[in-house]
Amino acid sequence: GAVVSQHPSWVICKSGTSVKIECRSLDFQATTMFWYRQFPKQSLMLMATSNEGSKATYEQGVEKDKFLINHASLTLSTLTVTSAHPEDSSFYICSATQGGNSPLHFGNGTRLTVT
Amino acid sequence: GDSVVQTEGQVLPSEGDSLIVNCSYETTQYPSLFWYVQYPGEGPQLHLKAMKANDKGRNKGFEAMYRKETTSFHLEKDSVQESDSAVYFCALSETSLGSSASKIIFGSGTRLSIRP
Repeated sequence: GAVVSQHPSWVICKSGTSVKIECRSLDFQATTMFWYRQFPKQSLMLMATSNEGSKATYEQGVEKDKFLINHASLTLSTLTVTSAHPEDSSFYICSATQGGNSPLHFGNGTRLTVT
Repeated sequence: GDSVVQTEGQVLPSEGDSLIVNCSYETTQYPSLFWYVQYPGEGPQLHLKAMKANDKGRNKGFEAMYRKETTSFHLEKDSVQESDSAVYFCALSETSLGSSASKIIFGSGTRLSIRP
């Protein structure tokens, strides 16, 4: 079946540094990718919708200059957390779809810890 | 905007008990409805879905009926097993502006912990 791979699965970084998370669709072309954030024991909150070749659409309250999203190809989207702070520590999850009524496939998430 | 409400944060049935996990939704559209399951340290996985009113999603003994009249999509199972323990999220699809794909809006999740 379709697989979405996230890398890294976990990362620890120092406050003030930037971290890049990759999301790849391994066996299908993902016209749209979504980025979610999940705090411990809470739900998934949609951060942004990313369409290949165009700018991401951010949800209300999500800082686009802090969470940079790039979707340069049909199999890769990246989320860069810039100038990370401890409050950015969270579980970040991407999902990908071919669009239309195609199913949505989730990655296994990236746990970010900012010290 | 659209929303999904799950009233139980955690349920603790015993193995063999029947189960109902509540889910209600609000929308002005005609969404598809989903239940996702999430295990520790992993992303959510699609558990079952219903594309339109009166459809019933089924998977591994679980069922959920898309009820438009009550705007509900409760998850049910006749007899739970210890291996069913996980976090279950009810969700709906919402049309995403500027995209042909629909985004998924999740409920707050219900932790199902089966007592042996």
